[in-house]
Amino acid sequence: KAGVTQTPRYLIKTRGQQVTLSCSPISGHRSVSWYQQTPGQGLQFLFEYFSETQRNKGNFPGRFSGRQFSNSRSEMNVSTLELGDSALYLCASSLLGQGKGSYEQYFGPGTRLTVT
Amino acid sequence: DAKTTQPNSMESNEEEPVHLPCNHSTISGTDYIHWYRQLPSQGPEYVIHGLTSNVNNRMASLAIAEDRKSSTLILHRATLRDAAVYYCILSYTDKLIFGTGTRLQVFP
Repeated sequence: KAGVTQTPRYLIKTRGQQVTLSCSPISGHRSVSWYQQTPGQGLQFLFEYFSETQRNKGNFPGRFSGRQFSNSRSEMNVSTLELGDSALYLCASSLLGQGKGSYEQYFGPGTRLTVT
Repeated sequence: DAKTTQPNSMESNEEEPVHLPCNHSTISGTDYIHWYRQLPSQGPEYVIHGLTSNVNNRMASLAIAEDRKSSTLILHRATLRDAAVYYCILSYTDKLIFGTGTRLQVFP
């Protein structure tokens, strides 16, 4: 069974632009979460989607948004990019996502975003 | 969100057992204890999780204290491939809050 895939793997954008990152979960997984990893802040939770609904949200500004499609694929969007948005963006999927922390999450390789 | 405390770093020799501790004194009854690890230049990898009882899988064992205020991840025979940052996380939702983890070094 294929793992979590993320596209693109690397991206360079200019400050002020917007970017869309894509995540395809493991087949059959219905919950998708997004995380940001930077050297200074470590791994931080962005948001989680289940059945096309945002169920959990981290402490990030409204410039960060996401959505989930009926096939469980998910996208996240960052508008008006800032230099501090340079990071590794990770997507994780979970089988049922009962919302109780009882299922393991499987992470993709991430998208490395560089903002210049 | 309940907080965990882990040592910043630990060392082990190859083929020796490794016990990675985690303190979580403010754990609630509905918190699951999760362990993930992150190898260099990779996304985090699920290791094991449990609620109250000790758990075993092909990668590791999780020993949970009777009062649930601490737990230990046990790697039975460390290999060079086990060198990674190990994160102990408490979660009652599908939101994982990562701390700084324990960097495990494995020497041949």
